[in-house]
Amino acid sequence: DAKTTQPNSMESNEEEPVHLPCNHSTISGTDYIHWYRQLPSQGPEYVIHGLTSNVNNRMASLAIAEDRKSSTLILHRATLRDAAVYYCILRATGNQFYFGTGTSLTVIP
Amino acid sequence: GAGVSQSPRYKVAKRGQDVALRCDPISGHVSLFWYQQALGQGPEFLTYFQNEAQLDKSGLPSDRFFAERPEGSVSTLKIQRTQQEDSAVYLCASSPGQGGRNEQFFGPGTRLTVL
Repeated sequence: DAKTTQPNSMESNEEEPVHLPCNHSTISGTDYIHWYRQLPSQGPEYVIHGLTSNVNNRMASLAIAEDRKSSTLILHRATLRDAAVYYCILRATGNQFYFGTGTSLTVIP
Repeated sequence: GAGVSQSPRYKVAKRGQDVALRCDPISGHVSLFWYQQALGQGPEFLTYFQNEAQLDKSGLPSDRFFAERPEGSVSTLKIQRTQQEDSAVYLCASSPGQGGRNEQFFGPGTRLTVL
């Protein structure tokens, strides 16, 4: 299974943009890039996903490198409610999600 | 609409006891997944159902773990003769279809503590 590499932790000031990186050098052509986040004591929550093109939704933006070996989740204005563990996941037509350990985001008021 | 629900939310079991954890997926969702999440770790895949068929159980850690989804909706994860290392949060997720583009909707999890 293709795996991802993320920094263990990051900090951001409130109301500033946050760029969360993810490396996935062994990605295959059919792998979608998914981002989920997990708030304390809750199940993971879908954030965004993409295949090749950059994607935007109401929660975030996803920037995918041209070679698809890395991607960046962008939170445009971090709020205290965005403090969570963020997981970058590759998913193909198989059914497993490999979460890894994710990036723990701390938002500083 | 209603999301994925799991019950019980918390379960304390004595070592050697059998436990059953229930998952109610979103109505109409074809795919159902179980994950195990140890403290401080990311969720780890246990098993996957497409409707009532268990298509992948490669993540089940031992033959003490058993999952079923007999009518293609509600699923039960059963753990026999629980051990302390089984203590974790068990997460259930459902998805409307197969394929990499489909997102998974997670329940709140069941926290199992084995004494």
